[in-house]
Amino acid sequence: ETGVTQSPTHLIKTRGQQVTLRCSSQSGHNTVSWYQQALGQGPQFIFQYYREEENGRGNFPPRFSGLQFPNYSSELNVNALELDDSALYLCASSLAGTGGSGYTFGSGTRLTVV
Amino acid sequence: KNEVEQSPQNLTAQEGEFITINCSYSVGISALHWLQQHPGGGIVSLFMLSSGKKKHGRLIATINIQEKHSSLHITASHPRDSAVYICAVFTSGSRLTFGEGTQLTVNP
Repeated sequence: ETGVTQSPTHLIKTRGQQVTLRCSSQSGHNTVSWYQQALGQGPQFIFQYYREEENGRGNFPPRFSGLQFPNYSSELNVNALELDDSALYLCASSLAGTGGSGYTFGSGTRLTVV
Repeated sequence: KNEVEQSPQNLTAQEGEFITINCSYSVGISALHWLQQHPGGGIVSLFMLSSGKKKHGRLIATINIQEKHSSLHITASHPRDSAVYICAVFTSGSRLTFGEGTQLTVNP
């Protein structure tokens, strides 16, 4: 049984550019949630995907968008990058209807915007 | 005021000490997670609780639903326990709301 895999692990982008982060969910999980963790803070919920549809969104602007694929893997896209987008982006997978049992995090992608 | 509050923010202990980290929340929850985050970012789930108490090795987690409070205890602390410990609650669906974390440093 594989865990949650995120790629890339580190990324440096220039302000104004676009970035795509990827997440492969744990085998048997059908829900993917994305979080942003700024330095020294707790993670903040960006959005969640279930059955390829967005299933809840936090307080993030529309330039943060996502996709979920039929194999339940997911992408996070950020357009028009800003310096404040520099953070650790975490993906977590779970199985809907289990109350969060088995909620599994990836190791994160550290994004630096310069 | 954050929906999930942790205390203390920073904690330094000597090896062998008993450690307690507290978490209070102000919203209705279906379950609470205690998570461990090491430098580099990876997050590991330690416990998921909806009532009572759970124990795993030297770690003990308790939750009081009526008081909206949970504690994480580490017995016989060790330098390898040094990490950020985060309390997070399930509010709706599989969405987690996180506390700010407690930075624990255990000195030899």
